Amino acid sequence: QVQLQESGPGLVKPSGTLSLTCGVSGGSISSTSWWTWVRQPPGKGLEWIGEIYHDGSTNYNPSLKSRVTISIDKSKNQFSLKLTSVTAADTALYYCARGSITMILLPWGQGTLVTVSS
Amino acid sequence: QSVLTQPPSVSAAPGQRVTISCSGSRSNIGENYVSWYQQLPGAAPKLLIHENNKRPSGISDRFSGSKSGTSATLGITGLQAGDEADYYCGTWDGSLYGGVFGGGTKLTVL
Repeated sequence: QVQLQESGPGLVKPSGTLSLTCGVSGGSISSTSWWTWVRQPPGKGLEWIGEIYHDGSTNYNPSLKSRVTISIDKSKNQFSLKLTSVTAADTALYYCARGSITMILLPWGQGTLVTVSS
Repeated sequence: QSVLTQPPSVSAAPGQRVTISCSGSRSNIGENYVSWYQQLPGAAPKLLIHENNKRPSGISDRFSGSKSGTSATLGITGLQAGDEADYYCGTWDGSLYGGVFGGGTKLTVL
């Protein structure tokens, strides 16, 4: 079955760029799925960041749209998240997930904690 | 402030039934399917219910979902200690053109 694994730096400096990758195994990233990023600040709820389709189409959370880029690398069967101009408010557990057109998120990666601090 | 509104907490005794509500608007719950996720302490969220009332393979029939208008409800029967978790509703919002979640509900089994 499809499994997802997030990877990337756990510490990013304020005003820097957060970069994460989600590796997909057990299935092709070219399938009819929306590959999704969700984050969760410590002790708080889930926030949908955005998604990408295998043809490169993207949708982003309007509140983050000016700072977010999600890209896909079919050759490596992975997709990535870049968030620019980060602040302490961007400190969170970042999850990747496989989504559908009806926003069914299954499965999820285990999540990776990113802390924004100098 | 989440787009979807859930009660911060609910509680019930073992063996009892509990419901968790999720309130939205026409552009999200009113016009789209609702999913429910369970997040056990220290774990990633797990899909419990999709398309309002469908259970993925392996999910107990103690969990059920329903939707009416711009609200959805998650029901859990025969409560067990292992059900203690945070529960989130989620759906697509056609006005925001993005996914939205509720603020989450913490379930305590007394």
